[in-house]
Amino acid sequence: DAKTTQPNSMESNEEEPVHLPCNHSTISGTDYIHWYRQLPSQGPEYVIHGLTSNVNNRMASLAIAEDRKSSTLILHRATLRDAAVYYCILRDVSNTGKLIFGQGTTLQVKP
Amino acid sequence: DADVTQTPRNRITKTGKRIMLECSQTKGHDRMYWYRQDPGLGLRLIYYSFDVKDINKGEISDGYSVSRQAQAKFSLSLESAIPNQTALYFCATSDSTGDAEETQYFGPGTRLLVL
Repeated sequence: DAKTTQPNSMESNEEEPVHLPCNHSTISGTDYIHWYRQLPSQGPEYVIHGLTSNVNNRMASLAIAEDRKSSTLILHRATLRDAAVYYCILRDVSNTGKLIFGQGTTLQVKP
Repeated sequence: DADVTQTPRNRITKTGKRIMLECSQTKGHDRMYWYRQDPGLGLRLIYYSFDVKDINKGEISDGYSVSRQAQAKFSLSLESAIPNQTALYFCATSDSTGDAEETQYFGPGTRLLVL
Protein backbone atom coordinates (compact mmCIF):
# COMPACT_ATOMS: atom_id res chain seq x y z
CA ASP A 1 0.00 0.00 0.00
CA ALA A 2 1.20 3.48 -0.80
CA LYS A 3 2.25 5.50 2.23
CA THR A 4 1.27 8.97 3.35
CA THR A 5 3.24 11.54 5.32
CA GLN A 6 1.59 14.15 7.52
CA PRO A 7 2.91 16.63 10.07
CA ASN A 8 2.55 15.36 13.62
CA SER A 9 0.72 18.46 14.84
CA MET A 10 -0.68 21.81 13.75
CA GLU A 11 -2.28 24.76 15.49
CA SER A 12 -5.00 27.07 14.32
CA ASN A 13 -7.03 29.93 15.68
CA GLU A 14 -10.77 29.62 15.93
CA GLU A 15 -12.72 30.88 12.91
CA GLU A 16 -9.63 30.89 10.70
CA PRO A 17 -9.04 28.52 7.77
CA VAL A 18 -6.86 25.48 8.31
CA HIS A 19 -4.84 23.69 5.64
CA LEU A 20 -3.76 20.18 6.59
CA PRO A 21 -1.15 18.77 4.18
CA CYS A 22 -0.53 15.19 3.16
CA ASN A 23 2.27 13.87 0.98
CA HIS A 24 1.79 10.66 -0.98
CA SER A 25 4.57 10.57 -3.54
CA THR A 26 4.12 6.85 -4.35
CA ILE A 27 0.40 7.11 -5.06
CA SER A 28 -0.84 4.92 -7.91
CA GLY A 29 -3.33 5.87 -10.58
CA THR A 30 -6.16 3.95 -8.90
CA ASP A 31 -5.61 5.20 -5.34
CA TYR A 32 -8.31 7.36 -3.84
CA ILE A 33 -7.33 9.89 -1.18
CA HIS A 34 -9.50 9.62 1.92
CA TRP A 35 -9.54 11.75 5.06
CA TYR A 36 -10.90 10.67 8.40
CA ARG A 37 -10.74 12.45 11.71
CA GLN A 38 -10.92 11.24 15.28
CA LEU A 39 -12.32 13.57 17.91
CA PRO A 40 -11.19 13.01 21.51
CA SER A 41 -12.69 9.87 23.04
CA GLN A 42 -14.56 8.99 19.85
CA GLY A 43 -14.19 6.66 16.90
CA PRO A 44 -12.87 7.95 13.59
CA GLU A 45 -15.34 9.62 11.26
CA TYR A 46 -15.22 10.05 7.52
CA VAL A 47 -14.48 13.55 6.28
CA ILE A 48 -13.99 13.53 2.53
CA HIS A 49 -12.37 11.66 -0.36
CA GLY A 50 -11.28 12.29 -3.92
CA LEU A 51 -9.35 10.89 -6.88
CA THR A 52 -8.14 13.72 -9.10
CA SER A 53 -10.43 16.71 -8.91
CA ASN A 54 -10.88 18.98 -5.93
CA VAL A 55 -13.87 18.04 -3.78
CA ASN A 56 -16.16 19.96 -1.47
CA ASN A 57 -18.69 18.82 1.10
CA ARG A 58 -20.35 20.28 4.15
CA MET A 59 -17.39 19.43 6.38
CA ALA A 60 -14.36 20.38 4.33
CA SER A 61 -12.68 20.76 0.97
CA LEU A 62 -10.01 18.53 -0.52
CA ALA A 63 -7.43 20.05 -2.84
CA ILE A 64 -5.44 17.51 -4.86
CA ALA A 65 -2.20 18.47 -6.59
CA GLU A 66 -2.10 18.05 -10.34
CA ASP A 67 0.51 15.28 -10.09
CA ARG A 68 -1.50 13.73 -7.20
CA LYS A 69 1.60 13.41 -5.06
CA SER A 70 0.14 15.62 -2.38
CA SER A 71 -3.20 16.84 -1.14
CA THR A 72 -4.56 19.33 1.36
CA LEU A 73 -7.61 19.10 3.58
CA ILE A 74 -9.12 22.53 4.06
CA LEU A 75 -11.34 23.47 6.97
CA HIS A 76 -12.74 26.84 5.97
CA ARG A 77 -13.48 28.17 9.47
CA ALA A 78 -12.03 26.13 12.28
CA THR A 79 -14.11 25.71 15.41
CA LEU A 80 -13.10 24.29 18.76
CA ARG A 81 -15.00 21.16 17.81
CA ASP A 82 -12.59 20.60 14.90
CA ALA A 83 -9.76 19.79 17.32
CA ALA A 84 -8.97 16.19 16.43
CA VAL A 85 -6.47 13.84 14.84
CA TYR A 86 -6.77 13.96 11.05
CA TYR A 87 -5.78 10.91 9.02
CA CYS A 88 -4.93 10.95 5.33
CA ILE A 89 -5.37 7.45 3.85
CA LEU A 90 -4.88 6.04 0.38
CA ARG A 91 -7.23 3.33 -0.83
CA ASP A 92 -7.37 1.27 -3.99
CA VAL A 93 -9.61 -1.52 -5.22
CA SER A 94 -7.12 -4.19 -4.13
CA ASN A 95 -7.01 -3.39 -0.42
CA THR A 96 -10.16 -5.37 0.36
CA GLY A 97 -11.81 -2.62 2.33
CA LYS A 98 -9.26 -2.18 5.08
CA LEU A 99 -8.16 1.28 6.11
CA ILE A 100 -4.47 1.71 6.89
CA PHE A 101 -4.07 4.45 9.47
CA GLY A 102 -0.82 6.32 10.01
CA GLN A 103 -0.25 8.56 13.01
CA GLY A 104 -2.15 11.47 11.53
CA THR A 105 -1.98 15.17 12.33
CA THR A 106 -3.19 16.40 15.71
CA LEU A 107 -4.96 19.70 15.16
CA GLN A 108 -5.22 22.10 18.06
CA VAL A 109 -7.70 24.96 17.74
CA LYS A 110 -7.15 27.96 19.98
CA PRO A 111 -10.01 30.27 20.98
CA ASP B 1 -29.85 6.18 18.33
CA ALA B 2 -26.30 5.47 17.19
CA ASP B 3 -25.89 3.51 13.97
CA VAL B 4 -22.95 1.48 15.29
CA THR B 5 -22.97 0.46 18.94
CA GLN B 6 -20.37 -1.34 21.00
CA THR B 7 -20.73 -3.09 24.33
CA PRO B 8 -19.29 -2.82 26.84
CA ARG B 9 -17.82 0.67 26.60
CA ASN B 10 -15.26 -0.06 29.29
CA ARG B 11 -13.98 -3.37 30.60
CA ILE B 12 -11.37 -4.40 33.13
CA THR B 13 -10.33 -8.03 33.14
CA LYS B 14 -7.53 -10.23 34.42
CA THR B 15 -4.84 -12.09 32.54
CA GLY B 16 -6.09 -15.44 31.27
CA LYS B 17 -9.78 -14.55 31.24
CA ARG B 18 -11.93 -14.95 28.16
CA ILE B 19 -13.88 -11.87 27.19
CA MET B 20 -16.15 -10.86 24.35
CA LEU B 21 -16.68 -7.44 22.84
CA GLU B 22 -19.86 -6.96 20.88
CA CYS B 23 -20.77 -4.73 17.97
CA SER B 24 -24.19 -4.08 16.49
CA GLN B 25 -25.21 -1.90 13.57
CA THR B 26 -28.47 -0.59 12.21
CA LYS B 27 -27.06 0.72 8.93
CA GLY B 28 -27.87 -2.46 7.00
CA HIS B 29 -24.26 -2.80 5.90
CA ASP B 30 -22.74 -6.07 4.81
CA ARG B 31 -19.16 -5.35 5.84
CA MET B 32 -17.92 -5.16 9.41
CA TYR B 33 -14.45 -4.63 10.89
CA TRP B 34 -12.63 -4.79 14.21
CA TYR B 35 -9.66 -2.46 14.86
CA ARG B 36 -7.52 -1.78 17.89
CA GLN B 37 -5.84 1.48 18.78
CA ASP B 38 -2.88 1.84 21.10
CA PRO B 39 -2.00 5.18 22.73
CA GLY B 40 -0.61 7.71 20.27
CA LEU B 41 -0.99 5.36 17.33
CA GLY B 42 -3.39 4.91 14.48
CA LEU B 43 -5.82 2.02 14.20
CA ARG B 44 -4.78 -1.49 13.18
CA LEU B 45 -7.13 -4.05 11.64
CA ILE B 46 -7.77 -7.26 13.60
CA TYR B 47 -10.50 -9.06 11.61
CA TYR B 48 -13.04 -8.19 8.97
CA SER B 49 -16.16 -9.78 7.52
CA PHE B 50 -17.77 -9.05 4.16
CA ASP B 51 -20.94 -11.00 4.92
CA VAL B 52 -22.30 -13.50 7.43
CA LYS B 53 -20.36 -16.42 5.92
CA ASP B 54 -17.13 -14.53 5.35
CA ILE B 55 -14.40 -13.99 7.97
CA ASN B 56 -10.90 -12.69 7.22
CA LYS B 57 -7.82 -12.05 9.31
CA GLY B 58 -6.39 -8.58 9.46
CA GLU B 59 -2.82 -7.56 10.24
CA ILE B 60 -2.91 -8.41 13.98
CA SER B 61 -5.33 -11.34 14.44
CA ASP B 62 -3.18 -13.49 16.78
CA GLY B 63 -4.87 -13.91 20.16
CA TYR B 64 -8.27 -12.88 18.84
CA SER B 65 -11.26 -14.62 17.26
CA VAL B 66 -14.52 -13.30 15.83
CA SER B 67 -18.07 -14.40 15.20
CA ARG B 68 -20.53 -12.92 12.71
CA GLN B 69 -23.81 -13.99 14.23
CA ALA B 70 -25.98 -11.99 11.84
CA GLN B 71 -25.62 -9.23 9.31
CA ALA B 72 -25.96 -6.70 12.09
CA LYS B 73 -23.72 -8.32 14.73
CA PHE B 74 -19.98 -8.94 14.84
CA SER B 75 -18.27 -10.04 18.05
CA LEU B 76 -14.60 -10.03 18.97
CA SER B 77 -13.27 -12.51 21.53
CA LEU B 78 -10.04 -12.63 23.46
CA GLU B 79 -9.70 -16.30 24.34
CA SER B 80 -7.09 -15.74 27.04
CA ALA B 81 -6.51 -12.06 27.65
CA ILE B 82 -2.97 -10.77 28.18
CA PRO B 83 -1.81 -7.30 29.32
CA ASN B 84 -0.54 -6.23 25.89
CA GLN B 85 -4.12 -6.52 24.61
CA THR B 86 -4.93 -3.47 26.70
CA ALA B 87 -6.15 -1.01 24.09
CA LEU B 88 -9.10 0.84 22.62
CA TYR B 89 -11.16 -1.37 20.30
CA PHE B 90 -13.31 -0.04 17.48
CA CYS B 91 -15.90 -1.71 15.35
CA ALA B 92 -16.69 -0.31 11.92
CA THR B 93 -19.11 -1.02 9.10
CA SER B 94 -19.31 -0.21 5.41
CA ASP B 95 -21.66 -0.99 2.57
CA SER B 96 -20.55 -3.42 -0.08
CA THR B 97 -19.51 -0.99 -2.76
CA GLY B 98 -16.30 -2.98 -2.85
CA ASP B 99 -14.30 -0.23 -4.38
CA ALA B 100 -11.85 2.43 -3.38
CA GLU B 101 -14.61 4.96 -2.61
CA GLU B 102 -16.04 2.86 0.21
CA THR B 103 -16.64 4.75 3.45
CA GLN B 104 -16.39 3.19 6.90
CA TYR B 105 -18.52 4.14 9.90
CA PHE B 106 -17.07 3.61 13.34
CA GLY B 107 -18.57 2.82 16.71
CA PRO B 108 -17.68 4.71 19.89
CA GLY B 109 -15.07 2.21 21.00
CA THR B 110 -14.50 -0.18 23.90
CA ARG B 111 -11.71 0.63 26.33
CA LEU B 112 -10.17 -2.64 27.58
CA LEU B 113 -7.72 -2.97 30.45
CA VAL B 114 -6.10 -6.35 31.07
CA LEU B 115 -4.44 -6.62 34.46
